[in-house]
Amino acid sequence: DTAVSQTPKYLVTQMGNDKSIKCEQNLGHDTMYWYKQDSKKFLKIMFSYNNKELIINETVPNRFSPKSPDKAHLNLHINSLELGDSAVYFCASSHPSGSGTDTQYFGPGTRLTVL
Amino acid sequence: RKEVEQDPGPFNVPEGATVAFNCTYSNSASQSFFWYRQDCRKEPKLLMSVYSSGNEDGRFTAQLNRASQYISLLIRDSKLSDSATYLCVVNMGTGGFKTIFGAGTRLFVKA
Repeated sequence: DTAVSQTPKYLVTQMGNDKSIKCEQNLGHDTMYWYKQDSKKFLKIMFSYNNKELIINETVPNRFSPKSPDKAHLNLHINSLELGDSAVYFCASSHPSGSGTDTQYFGPGTRLTVL
Repeated sequence: RKEVEQDPGPFNVPEGATVAFNCTYSNSASQSFFWYRQDCRKEPKLLMSVYSSGNEDGRFTAQLNRASQYISLLIRDSKLSDSATYLCVVNMGTGGFKTIFGAGTRLFVKA
């Protein structure tokens, strides 16, 4: 009964490949997010979705394409992987900010290594 | 200036010590504020929300000063298990969907 789950947990791939990371939440939240945590441990927001619609895109290269088939899922597809994409990617979900209950719950992370 | 700034530490304290972390944010329209905790190779988890009136949860006390755009976290009677990175988190006022994490303050509590 994991609240926010991500698959895979580890992903090792070659430069130039295309890969996807899946995220699912069973908390009934409307808002979902993708974050990137780099080697310096800095956690930076990439995308926010609310009710399946993109709200925030933080100057992420268009090689990264999020897709939200429904409110419970937000997947991340990455084309033409580069060495600099190596990081831990966290999915999170929450009620919308301003609702008074906008605590974010994070998935366990996907450790992506690009060789 | 970074949108959310924290002292990266590390803070090395003995068990039982009191330790305080500070955080400043740049956007005065920010709506909500939190402290999260992240253990090594784990996901961030909410420690506590931060309210203008200040709030306490056991050994942890959080304060918010909107005029100075300053947030603090006080940990009393530190335990070994408090060793982690503490992240100051701000939800921006732009519809509230943009969340900014500070770089984190590393705490080591030693026996």
